Amino acid sequence: DAGVTQSPTHLIKTRGQQVTLRCSPISGHKSVSWYQQVLGQGPQFIFQYYEKEERGRGNFPDRFSARQFPNYSSELNVNALLLGDSALYLCASSKIGTGEEAFFGQGTRLTVV
Amino acid sequence: AQSVTQLGSHVSVSEGALVLLRCNYSSSVPPYLFWYVQYPNQGLQLLLKYTSAATLVKGINGFEAEFKKSETSFHLTKPSAHMSDAAEYFCAVSEGTGGGADGLTFGKGTHLIIQP
Repeated sequence: DAGVTQSPTHLIKTRGQQVTLRCSPISGHKSVSWYQQVLGQGPQFIFQYYEKEERGRGNFPDRFSARQFPNYSSELNVNALLLGDSALYLCASSKIGTGEEAFFGQGTRLTVV
Repeated sequence: AQSVTQLGSHVSVSEGALVLLRCNYSSSVPPYLFWYVQYPNQGLQLLLKYTSAATLVKGINGFEAEFKKSETSFHLTKPSAHMSDAAEYFCAVSEGTGGGADGLTFGKGTHLIIQP
């Protein structure tokens, strides 16, 4: 079975631009979460989605947005990129249910110059 | 609000020695606790999880962790380190207040170094 797939794997953007990152969950998983991992730090929770609705949001500015599609895949959008947005963006999928573990993709490495 | 503290940003042990990675958490409700491992340029892989069943949890690759409510700890151990265990280890907590995985709060990570 395929794991969580993210695209692209690497991306370089200029300050002020907008970026869209994509995530396909494991088959049968209906929940998708996004995390930002800055170099040398632990992942920080950005969003959780299931049934196409936002179910949780971390402490990130409104420049960050996401959506989930009927096939449970998801996109993360970041507008007006800042140098500080440079990070590894991780997508995780899980089954619906309290305490279910999250399965992570390989991530998208975003570099803002 | 939930939080996680991992004591020691770097831990170095000899091959064959005991591995002990420390994690303390703060949570307003009974937590769900996880240990993840991250190899360079890769995503995170679940080692083990605690979800209010047995307090001693066994995971993959010979790792285990013990939930101690009185100490708010969830330390990760392995009796004998292998060179392949060298990686970044993250402790994470979820309060499970919603459906699905819920937002995980991660510690800053511990870099495990294995000396030959």
